[in-house]
Amino acid sequence: RKEVEQDPGPFNVPEGATVAFNCTYSNSASQSFFWYRQDCRKEPKLLMSVYSSGNEDGRFTAQLNRASQYISLLIRDSKLSDSATYLCAVNEVNTGFQKLVFGTGTRLLVSP
Amino acid sequence: NAGVTQTPKFQVLKTGQSMTLQCAQDMNHNSMYWYRQDPGMGLRLIYYSASEGTTDKGEVPNGYNVSRLNKREFSLRLESAAPSQTSVYFCASSETDSWSQETQYFGPGTRLLVL
Repeated sequence: RKEVEQDPGPFNVPEGATVAFNCTYSNSASQSFFWYRQDCRKEPKLLMSVYSSGNEDGRFTAQLNRASQYISLLIRDSKLSDSATYLCAVNEVNTGFQKLVFGTGTRLLVSP
Repeated sequence: NAGVTQTPKFQVLKTGQSMTLQCAQDMNHNSMYWYRQDPGMGLRLIYYSASEGTTDKGEVPNGYNVSRLNKREFSLRLESAAPSQTSVYFCASSETDSWSQETQYFGPGTRLLVL
């Protein structure tokens, strides 16, 4: 089983829709979780960190479910500009230094 | 504040040639990383440097070497390029946030084609 898994999509949604992605992780001891956004042929950019209590930034909400070992990203009122690939990242434990393991990404296409 | 910068943006090599990918950050971050990204494989860590003067292997270090020249700069060297090293290479640096999480910031990438 991969350490971090995501549905590759693509998720095709109309403008204004609400869409949610999940990302599962295998190591129950993981402590840090992130969502990154990556546009085509560009670098990943931090979208938001995922804290134990969950967090919200405008139309974006991230949640952590430790019991089921997944994080989620909810996007409300989708915009055309939200079209991108969304990567989740989870820290690798059992090392003296915090490294991130990335999922392969979920592609989102928002259409007019 | 340029963040993380990488040079070159694009490079074509022949098998067996060598080259160095340059990375610099101006955010005073201690930690720096080199990743490669291939279709269907996601980002894979090649090497990282927890602090100036230290480097360690990541998931896929074979065929690469690195140098942490100073706190700002972290270079990746391919001594004898192979077609399997055709990829997009990203450098990143990180800081510890108020929740003790290492948040990574990426450079724009280098697209490398090895013929």
